[in-house]
Amino acid sequence: GESVGLHLPTLSVQEGDNSIINCAYSNSASDYFIWYKQESGKGPQFIIDIRSNMDKRQGQRVTVLLNKTVKHLSLQIAATQPGDSAVYFCAENRGETSGSRLTFGEGTQLTVNP
Amino acid sequence: KAGVTQTPRYLIKTRGQQVTLSCSPISGHRSVSWYQQTPGQGLQFLFEYFSETQRNKGNFPGRFSGRQFSNSRSEMNVSTLELGDSALYLCASSLWSGDNSPLHFGNGTRLTVT
Repeated sequence: GESVGLHLPTLSVQEGDNSIINCAYSNSASDYFIWYKQESGKGPQFIIDIRSNMDKRQGQRVTVLLNKTVKHLSLQIAATQPGDSAVYFCAENRGETSGSRLTFGEGTQLTVNP
Repeated sequence: KAGVTQTPRYLIKTRGQQVTLSCSPISGHRSVSWYQQTPGQGLQFLFEYFSETQRNKGNFPGRFSGRQFSNSRSEMNVSTLELGDSALYLCASSLWSGDNSPLHFGNGTRLTVT
């Protein structure tokens, strides 16, 4: 079905490096975006979100960038640590219906090498 | 504050049977959503409940149903199970519905249909 796309299914980085995970979306009406981290055997864990009236938001070691012109979303993780190894999903609220309904991308498996 | 709690964690059922999964949202959260996660289709929206009413429904057959109780706890039911229903079923809660507040997920119920 339709989904938010991702550029790379896997990403491997060295511990201490910065990681950038990308996501492309197709719906111009999408007004809310979220990044989730999912570790093996667990549910998705909320990392950071951003509304469409913003282009950047920072959290602890993470930054989300939103480029509405090219419909692109990215998650930057600073000083990546082994504990950051997980699958990362972007998700959007397309605003097609009232309520809270997210459309998820396919996920990027991040592997952090010591 | 306790997170989203889903029970049971694992279930094995036979084709044709039915199953009920349970979800307790974060205290104070009034919206509960259900998602199905499979390797082939990724994370797909099933339905959302708010104030005991179904707010949104995804593209799943009528065999998938749910309900929400006055304390915001939710159950989903799958009748006449098929092999393809094997998946991780995730429940997520949020404070409100449609206000672009983050969804917080439980660790899911792993359903295996044999």
